[in-house]
Formats: sequence, structure tokens, C-alpha cells
Amino acid sequence: NAGVTQTPKFRILKIGQSMTLQCAQDMNHNYMYWYRQDPGMGLKLIYYSVGAGITDKGEVPNGYNVSRSTTEYFPLRLELAAPSQTSVYFCASNLGGASTDTQYFGPGTRLTVL
Amino acid sequence: QKEVEQNSGPLSVPEGAIASLNCTYSDRGSQSFFWYRQYSGKSPELIMSIYSNGDKEDGRFTAQLNKASQYVSLLIRDSQPSDSATYLCAVKGDGGYQKVTFGTGTKLQVIP
Repeated sequence: NAGVTQTPKFRILKIGQSMTLQCAQDMNHNYMYWYRQDPGMGLKLIYYSVGAGITDKGEVPNGYNVSRSTTEYFPLRLELAAPSQTSVYFCASNLGGASTDTQYFGPGTRLTVL
Repeated sequence: QKEVEQNSGPLSVPEGAIASLNCTYSDRGSQSFFWYRQYSGKSPELIMSIYSNGDKEDGRFTAQLNKASQYVSLLIRDSQPSDSATYLCAVKGDGGYQKVTFGTGTKLQVIP
């Protein structure tokens, strides 16, 4: 299994541009998450999904959108990029259904907005 | 009050010593507790999980949980330079989508 994969690994955007961060998992996990991690900070939840067609906001959803049409894919869309969105973005997934169930993380996308 | 609190460090220990990392949490309903290791520029990697009061040992790592004091810790015995990383404490509740809240992490430096 490849686990959780993310593309691209790095990206530089200009202010006002848009882009989609890709995330895929091959573990048939129901739950998927998008986090951002700013330097020296913990992980902040942007959006999450409990299954195909079901998404909801996390702590810091402004400026982002998500969709989940299949179990495997959970893309994150940035519209009108701003310097405040410079961060490292991690996608994660877990099977769900048990409190003991842990999250598995992708390698991350490092985004810089100039 | 932060939901999950950790000392940011850095915590410096000599090679071979015991490193002690601490975490407190505010939600008394929390059920599951995790320690992730994150090397610089890499993604978090699960190293320990604990669900009931007491100690749980896995190799050189021991997780300790005290729900009454809302406190969880990670001990690393015989610390190695390869243990130098940031350690994130994560706490999961019992309802809904099983929200996981992460601390900001403690940076550990093991000095050869």
C-alpha cells in the first residue's frame, strides 16, 4: 500500500492565484482530514470528511474548499491565495468507528504565497 | 486555556539519558491519547498510543496516562541522537467524527 499520498510536494503561488492540493489514500479509510502547520505551531484542522459526499469545516476553513466524490480522494482547493496561507499542508486518514483508531499522515505539501 | 498543552522546549538531554515529555489536556471526556514524532520537514509519525490509566511500554518508549490529573507523558529511555525531533501530543474525544486535537509539540535534542 502507498498509504496517504499528496501532490505537489512544493508550490509557490502569487497572491490571488488558485490551486488544488491533491490527496489520495489506498487503505479504504472512511475518514480524511486536511491540516495546516505553521512554523513552530501544532496542526490546525481545516476540513474533514467522514465518507464520500460528506465534508465539514474544521477550525480554520476560511479561504479553502474541499470535495470528496470517492473514498480515495480528498482534494483541497485554495481560492484567491493570500500570504497568510503560506504553510505546510498535511492530509491524513483513518478508518473510523473506534476511538482507538489513529490517523495516518501524508508527506505534506509546502506552500508559499508571495 | 489551550486544549492540549506542551512545553515547546527545546529539551536537551545527553545520549543515553531518559527524556521525559509532558502533556496536559483540558477535555475530561477525552478517551484516546497519542504521541507522534515529527522530524524536521517530515510528516507526523505515530509512536505510541494509550487509552487507560497507567503505563504502556514499547521498546525504549513508555507512555503514562493519568486521567484524573488530565496528564499524559512520554518517556524515552537510552535516548539516541536519532530521537532528536519534535514530539506532538494528540488527544481524541469520544464523539462525533472523533476530533483529534494536537499540541504544539516539544522539540527534543539528544546531545551525543
